[in-house]
Amino acid sequence: AQSVTQLGSHVSVSEGALVLLRCNYSSSVPPYLFWYVQYPNQGLQLLLKYTSAATLVKGINGFEAEFKKSETSFHLTKPSAHMSDAAEYFCAVSEWGKLIFGQGTELSVKP
Amino acid sequence: DAGVIQSPRHEVTEMGQEVTLRCKPISGHNSLFWYRQTMMRGLELLIYFNNNVPIDDSGMPEDRFSAKMPNASFSTLKIQPSEPRDSAVYFCASTPGDTEAFFGQGTRLTVV
Repeated sequence: AQSVTQLGSHVSVSEGALVLLRCNYSSSVPPYLFWYVQYPNQGLQLLLKYTSAATLVKGINGFEAEFKKSETSFHLTKPSAHMSDAAEYFCAVSEWGKLIFGQGTELSVKP
Repeated sequence: DAGVIQSPRHEVTEMGQEVTLRCKPISGHNSLFWYRQTMMRGLELLIYFNNNVPIDDSGMPEDRFSAKMPNASFSTLKIQPSEPRDSAVYFCASTPGDTEAFFGQGTRLTVV
């Protein structure tokens, strides 16, 4: 069965600093992988997705993620954090149509 | 398209009462998911449907929870009887296939 582990429930960075949110997955078949963002009192919205094409995936708001099969990882990065990036981020894996989420990482951005 | 529509947005009910949450998926999407989000447990998949058929309900916490999808444009999640520990935000999501899911705004349920 597939699963997702997000390392670090809280990450704090300074504005302008690199953002790195970690995600490791397990899946018995080549997975589809996703990153979602959730702002307070809202639903989840898609940041980016990996569907077995390019291993480096670019998403909205300057985020990108790299699929590394050997490490079973799909870490999310952004070169320069902005105050508006403060939110909760979820990594997810889809296998045979079943979408499973990690526990989430809350990102804080300090001025 | 208006996106995934959930109702109500907020629900406050007394313990023991029946609660029904509603979801209208995006037209043309063939899969629908119900999730529960709490601080303690994060986002839990409760059940998902494909072409209106329940495929996996292993996440449904107990018999007090039931979900139906009578047609492609409507689904319900029912809790009977409700308990305070059911308080959470319940999300519905739909997808056109094995790709990204589109989420509704959620229903915040408070059981007192």
